[in-house]
Amino acid sequence: GQNIDQPTEMTATEGAIVQINCTYQTSGFNGLFWYQQHAGEAPTFLSYNVLDGLEEKGRFSSFLSRSKGYSYLLLKELQMKDSASYLCAVRDEYSGAGSYQLTFGKGTKLSVIP
Amino acid sequence: KAGVTQTPRYLIKTRGQQVTLSCSPISGHRSVSWYQQTPGQGLQFLFEYFSETQRNKGNFPGRFSGRQFSNSRSEMNVSTLELGDSALYLCASSLAGRGSTDTQYFGPGTRLTVL
Repeated sequence: GQNIDQPTEMTATEGAIVQINCTYQTSGFNGLFWYQQHAGEAPTFLSYNVLDGLEEKGRFSSFLSRSKGYSYLLLKELQMKDSASYLCAVRDEYSGAGSYQLTFGKGTKLSVIP
Repeated sequence: KAGVTQTPRYLIKTRGQQVTLSCSPISGHRSVSWYQQTPGQGLQFLFEYFSETQRNKGNFPGRFSGRQFSNSRSEMNVSTLELGDSALYLCASSLAGRGSTDTQYFGPGTRLTVL
């Protein structure tokens, strides 16, 4: 089974840097995803980590430590439009059937203030 | 390339009724997964279809079912609706090659309200 924890809410100032943490416990691991979801909209893919280390994509970076069951999403130069929920999701292999199941955390609601 | 589409976008039903939701994946994507999203529980996995076969299933009662057609389009059905079924139902598609580093892309969702 899976257990994924992330903070419920965070507030940060426009132009600042914010780090959203995610810890997980899993019986199998085949990658960790971060999604962004604006209110009333679908989740959109941000990043994917399967090996330890940092993946950078413009203003967004994601880090993974498999031994610690830990990931974070780093958002730099915050903009008002970054106000959204950020979802951490872990993928494992289902029963060796070749199907990968995504289990999501409950999301972190980020509010960016002027 | 067109994204994942879902119909209808909004639906209001009463308890005891049944409902069918539709999802068209991104062209070339063969896997379709369904999720239920509620404020209290977040995103919860319902099931996944690949090549017209259910390949994976979450912990939902048998009232929730689905199917996939040969063109990869998928439908989800909920019978005997309960108030607690009110949620945003999201569909996601991926290439789903075995051993691939697949990414799931989500549709806009169907907002179901059960009265």
